[in-house]
Amino acid sequence: DAGVIQSPRHEVTEMGQEVTLRCKPISGHNSLFWYRQTMMRGLELLIYFNNNVPIDDSGMPEDRFSAKMPNASFSTLKIQPSEPRDSAVYFCASSWTSGAFYEQYFGPGTRLTVT
Amino acid sequence: AQRVTQPEKLLSVFKGAPVELKCNYSYSGSPELFWYVQYSRQRLQLLLRHISRESIKGFTADLNKGETSFHLKKPFAQEEDSAMYYCALKAGSYQLTFGKGTKLSVIP
Repeated sequence: DAGVIQSPRHEVTEMGQEVTLRCKPISGHNSLFWYRQTMMRGLELLIYFNNNVPIDDSGMPEDRFSAKMPNASFSTLKIQPSEPRDSAVYFCASSWTSGAFYEQYFGPGTRLTVT
Repeated sequence: AQRVTQPEKLLSVFKGAPVELKCNYSYSGSPELFWYVQYSRQRLQLLLRHISRESIKGFTADLNKGETSFHLKKPFAQEEDSAMYYCALKAGSYQLTFGKGTKLSVIP
């Protein structure tokens, strides 16, 4: 298994443009998480899904952010319109919620720069 | 609400010196604690979990419920230990709450 896959790895866009980040979780995992990492705030949970259903989106900064999980193997995080303060590394992670040993597996991240 | 605090943003130690990365948590339930590590240009990965009571790459961490701490320790630091370390708390079935991280720099 290639692990959690994210695309693109780097994204540079201008303020006001729409940005879509993509994630493919590990096959068989039933939970998916979107995080944002910045120097100031560290690693913040934006939203998580269980069995493709959004469970908690309280970490989503504002209405400009939206996330979907149309099926078990794909999720998107969209920012529309983007702003310079959205510049960060966005991580996707997946996990299996059963079993004695819990672990979230992270993707390589997407580094977003909004100019 | 749960909270994880890592008081040090940056910790620099000399090679061969002991290392202790501090982590304190706040949670009303029974905690499950983890340490994750992110090496340069690599993805975040699990280092160890308290329920396994294991030693990984020479690192250990003991859950102290009285002090609500889960400090990460290693007796002799190596250059390859230089990385970003995150303490995390599992609250509920799915969610991990992460601290803000400590960057460990091991000086040759």
